[in-house]
Amino acid sequence: EDQVTQSPEALRLQEGESSSLNCSYTVSGLRGLFWYRQDPGKGPEFLFTLYSAGEEKEKERLKATLTKKESFLHITAPKPEDSATYLCAVSNSGYALNFGKGTSLLVTP
Amino acid sequence: GAVVSQHPSWVICKSGTSVKIECRSLDFQATTMFWYRQFPKQSLMLMATSNEGSKATYEQGVEKDKFLINHASLTLSTLTVTSAHPEDSSFYICSARNRGTYEQYFGPGTRLTVT
Repeated sequence: EDQVTQSPEALRLQEGESSSLNCSYTVSGLRGLFWYRQDPGKGPEFLFTLYSAGEEKEKERLKATLTKKESFLHITAPKPEDSATYLCAVSNSGYALNFGKGTSLLVTP
Repeated sequence: GAVVSQHPSWVICKSGTSVKIECRSLDFQATTMFWYRQFPKQSLMLMATSNEGSKATYEQGVEKDKFLINHASLTLSTLTVTSAHPEDSSFYICSARNRGTYEQYFGPGTRLTVT
């Protein structure tokens, strides 16, 4: 059975303090690993898709990396507007996404 | 690009009534749409998967007679909560898969409150 585990559950950073969020996964036949950002009361916003180990993608202060067992979302010099819940999900051959429980990030000024 | 809309954004209904939620892909064709449910401070739980022109596939434990899903076109899927009860109160979110990719784009969600 596919499993996605995110850590930490919650993370508090000072503005400018870089850190990483972790997503460990087990899936039969990975077709893609996805990162989303979700603000309270809103639907998830697509950030990245990673397809194979060694792949990296960047967008502004965010960088996602992928190994055969886990993915990291690196946040460089975060700002308060980066505060949100970050969700990791995996997809197998069936297209459906299996989500982790998310990491709630709070960036304080 | 890749915008998904949902309507309504929030709805309050009385117990025993039915509510329909619409999900539209605005700038792409969605061969597959998904419906999720999210409780406060929890992650998204997949309810069902629908392919255009086909019957929806429901996840284990989801009552298909209660949550009716229709995917009549490549840009529109609807979820009807029939005979709603207070325990159906939740945040319902749809997503759409762009043809030829594995990426899903999510709608803004619909907050359903059943009184």
